[in-house]
Amino acid sequence: DGGITQSPKYLFRKEGQNVTLSCEQNLNHDAMYWYRQDPGQGLRLIYYSQIVNDFQKGDIAEGYSVSREKKESFPLTVTSAQKNPTAFYLCASSIDPGRSYEQYFGPGTRLTVT
Amino acid sequence: AQTVTQSQPEMSVQEAETVTLSCTYDTSENNYYLFWYKQPPSRQMILVIRQEAYKQQNATENRFSVNFQKAAKSFSLKISDSQLGDTAMYFCAFILYTGTASKLTFGTGTRLQVTL
Repeated sequence: DGGITQSPKYLFRKEGQNVTLSCEQNLNHDAMYWYRQDPGQGLRLIYYSQIVNDFQKGDIAEGYSVSREKKESFPLTVTSAQKNPTAFYLCASSIDPGRSYEQYFGPGTRLTVT
Repeated sequence: AQTVTQSQPEMSVQEAETVTLSCTYDTSENNYYLFWYKQPPSRQMILVIRQEAYKQQNATENRFSVNFQKAAKSFSLKISDSQLGDTAMYFCAFILYTGTASKLTFGTGTRLQVTL
């Protein structure tokens, strides 16, 4: 079945540690995105990538980094510089944005930093 | 900058009844898309319905339909024959047509509870 996978579902880290969240898609989508969701808020864009080896900052990129070495994969690293890393993180993908703007989401990763 | 406002934090509807969720948005652009996403307790974001701004006809997907009023910048979602499985957070979202990848701007959501 085609889809987007994020692992793990729950992640716990100590403050001061970097942590990498996985996102893989087998939909052959060109663009991939990372959003953050906090209680009582909608999703906010962290980073996005339209093609391999290219990515752009979103609204809240500070303290995060990404890579896009393969079309299928778009990992997100939450660095120790991110002041409030505890949140729910959602990865999404979309087919060629020139054809369709629908974004499809993975199941998410809940990150807790203590 | 674009903004999306959902003024109803919570709503409740009885099974088999109809409910309408409100959404307004603000943009000075003319080419964009609007979406409604559903987030059930599993927290998976599921696309419910989409509307292209250039289309005057309101989108419909089975029991879900929208009332798109472009001049008023309003985009409400109507759920007919509500079912228990419709219980979820519903998010309205906006995206500009740029021809390249761009962000979805989300509202803060409406929590819908369907009761027996």
